[in-house]
Amino acid sequence: EPEVTQTPSHQVTQMGQEVILRCVPISNHLYFYWYRQILGQKVEFLVSFYNNEISEKSEIFDDQFSVERPDGSNFTLKIRSTKLEDSAMYFCASSEAWGRQDEQYFGPGTRLTVT
Amino acid sequence: AQSVTQLDSHVSVSEGTPVLLRCNYSSSYSPSLFWYVQHPNKGLQLLLKYTSAATLVKGINGFEAEFKKSETSFHLTKPSAHMSDAAEYFCVVSVSGGYQKVTFGTGTKLQVIP
Repeated sequence: EPEVTQTPSHQVTQMGQEVILRCVPISNHLYFYWYRQILGQKVEFLVSFYNNEISEKSEIFDDQFSVERPDGSNFTLKIRSTKLEDSAMYFCASSEAWGRQDEQYFGPGTRLTVT
Repeated sequence: AQSVTQLDSHVSVSEGTPVLLRCNYSSSYSPSLFWYVQHPNKGLQLLLKYTSAATLVKGINGFEAEFKKSETSFHLTKPSAHMSDAAEYFCVVSVSGGYQKVTFGTGTKLQVIP
């Protein structure tokens, strides 16, 4: 069964450093998403992406975040200058379509630890 | 605006006994509702979804959920818990108003006691 993959599974970085989290969505999906889950808190929406541009972003997704689809398969989340509070699990998801009934398929997540 | 409330952060059941994980939602639009499961160190796996067809929805691994509009609830049930059901469960509401907007509940950790 096709699945969303994410690399790395765990990333440790120092405050102020840039990190890139990578995702490979399911191949025929057109819509891509990033979410984060701070330890002990709920899963929060960050950004959605379609047709090589951001469709929607939350207030969490400020100027230090960016997303890109550099080629036909990868979807990346870049955090320019990491802060301690960026430590979280980051989930990538993809979906075939955009309607409310279309489920999103999630990857296993990348645990980001900022020290 | 929409929101999801999972009424229990932890639920503990004995193996072989029924499971009930509660979820209430609010939404200005007709929602779709989903239950996802997250096993330790794994991604979020879809268990089942409601999209305005039958109100009783059957999912994988023997789980089912009933959409009750009058009670704004979408509780997840399973007749008999298995050890492998121990995981965290998330109720999710999705609406579309030109785009899909997804809101997660805070999650319920299910413990299954042998």
